This record gives sequence, structure tokens and C-alpha cells, in this order.
Amino acid sequence: EVQLVESGGDLVKAGGSLRLSCATSGFTFRNSSMDWVRQAPGKGLEWVASITSSGSYIFYADSVKGRFTISRDNAKNSLYLQMNSLRADDTAVYYCARYNGGVDLWYFDYWGQGTLVTVSS
Amino acid sequence: SSELTQDPVVSVALGQTVRITCQGDSLRTFYASWYHQKPGQAPVLVIYGKNNRPSGIPDRFSGSSAGNTASLTITGVQAEDEADYYCNSRDRSGNHVLFGGGTKLTVL
Repeated sequence: EVQLVESGGDLVKAGGSLRLSCATSGFTFRNSSMDWVRQAPGKGLEWVASITSSGSYIFYADSVKGRFTISRDNAKNSLYLQMNSLRADDTAVYYCARYNGGVDLWYFDYWGQGTLVTVSS
Repeated sequence: SSELTQDPVVSVALGQTVRITCQGDSLRTFYASWYHQKPGQAPVLVIYGKNNRPSGIPDRFSGSSAGNTASLTITGVQAEDEADYYCNSRDRSGNHVLFGGGTKLTVL
């Protein structure tokens, strides 16, 4: 059974930092591109960051670039998101998800249940 | 443009057919994928690529695309299909990921 379990969400003050983790099992993590996607309360899905299977390529949404860092530990089947200089508009449920596919076809086939980050101003 | 555009709200009568659309320049290069999301739950993949359904997704869900528009069609809508639906693709550079703004499907 595939499982993605996020943790680390919390209430933090603006300007603070937080580190999210995503523990995975049931699929070959080391061969998988992984992403973080967030959803602000009552809003739609927003892509945050991507990391390829080896960690060689990393991409960020403009809204978090320079503040957030995505990383992974293939030995631990885990994905991370270090969030610094947090702002009120970073308040959201953060999902980790596997990004599968290639060439012209990409899709998120596995999702975690999400972890809530609340930033107080 | 680096956006995917969806109608915010769509309504359909129980048992009828509904089409949800997604427009964006990147769809000329990349296939769309579609997700539904119910309140308090994580998104679930329902269609990816030209018209592929993951295991466990009913065959009343289908996908299609033409030019810069991708469509999700639900044939014989059920009450449990009431949810938010999101389309997704990469941007034209291929480096960033895009989501549509979402369509709230109401089943009457």
C-alpha cells in the first residue's frame, strides 16, 4: 500500500521558520520525482516546489523562491521542505505528492493527507 | 501565458453528462491531468494524459483535448461526484507546474 505521511505543520509567527517532512512507503521513492503542493484555506491548489529523483534538478514557484528549500533523503524514503521567512500568505495545508510521467505527460498519482501550516502576523 | 483557466462553478442534474474545461497555452505542449477533491480530503487523480484512468476510477470519467483546451467529461453524474475539480500541467518551459483555479461541481 502506498503511503505518504506529512508532518511538521504548526502555528508559527511571521518571519519564523518551519521544516516539513514527508515519509513515504509502498513505491520506489528513489526513482520518483517529488513535489510539494499547498492549499490556502478556501482556495485552490498551488504548486510550491519540485525535486527530481536524484535531487539534481530543483524548481520553485516564484512565491517561495529564496525562502523555501526542498530536499530529499533517498535512504530514508523521505521528502522535506524547509520554510524560512514565513509570511501570513504561506498559511495553507501542505501536501507532498509524487509527480509521475515523462516528456509531455506528467501527473500527481500519489498524495499525502497534508499538514497544516498557520502563520500568524 | 503561464496560467490554466477553469470555470469556477458548474452545475449538472443527477444522471446527466457534464464537461469541465481547462484552457492554457501550455496545453498545446503538455497533456493535462485532472483531480477531484472533496472537503477535508487530499486531491485524487481521475484522468491523466490523452484519456487514462487510474485504477479504481469509474469509467464514467473521461478526458479529451484540442488545441489549448483540455476537457474532463463525466457521463451519468452521480451524487458522489460533487467535488472541486482541478486541471494540472507543466508550464511551457517544462520547469514549473501549473494548476487551474478549480471548478466546483454541483450535482442537482
